[in-house]
Amino acid sequence: QKEVEQDPGPLSVPEGAIVSLNCTYSNSAFQYFMWYRQYSRKGPELLMYTYSSGNKEDGRFTAQVDKSSKYISLFIRDSQPSDSATYLCAMSAMGGSNYKLTFGKGTLLTVNP
Amino acid sequence: DSGVTQTPKHLITATGQRVTLRCSPRSGDLSVYWYQQSLDQGLQFLIQYYNGEERAKGNILERFSAQQFPDLHSELNLSSLELGDSALYFCASSNRALGDTQYFGPGTRLTVL
Repeated sequence: QKEVEQDPGPLSVPEGAIVSLNCTYSNSAFQYFMWYRQYSRKGPELLMYTYSSGNKEDGRFTAQVDKSSKYISLFIRDSQPSDSATYLCAMSAMGGSNYKLTFGKGTLLTVNP
Repeated sequence: DSGVTQTPKHLITATGQRVTLRCSPRSGDLSVYWYQQSLDQGLQFLIQYYNGEERAKGNILERFSAQQFPDLHSELNLSSLELGDSALYFCASSNRALGDTQYFGPGTRLTVL
């Protein structure tokens, strides 16, 4: 079993839709959870950063972490064509100086005008 | 623009050759991370340096090595290249004082023919 599982999609939605992206993980040591957006093989861009369980909102983006279920989500409200990209979840364990990120494989999202 | 720079953008070489990828972290960031992204494996952590010292190792092959110099820039050396080494190589940097969020560079696309 991979440490982080993410449905690769592709996911296609109409403009204005609410998008839900999800990842599951198996390593209970993960404490930090991130979502990155990557446009056509460019460098990943950090969207959301969450520590432990709970919700975090930033504009049209909401990140949720449920550590009891080992499940994280990213919601995009009022999706725009410019949101079309690959979304990568990433996680790291706390403690020491080992801050390596473990990534999901990414979900390809297309928002159609 | 994340502030992380990588050179070269593209590299085409032959099997058996050796190449060096270069990364300059964001100003003030002491940690540098190297990742490899291939279509089948996704983003994989290779190695982390903190202020010149190796801190964590991931799935890095013995043919690959890295170092971080006193001015904090880092180089990833890939030798005895194989076709399967063709991938995008990303560098990221972080600042412990700012929560160790990793910011990625634009990547180097390596093609081994």
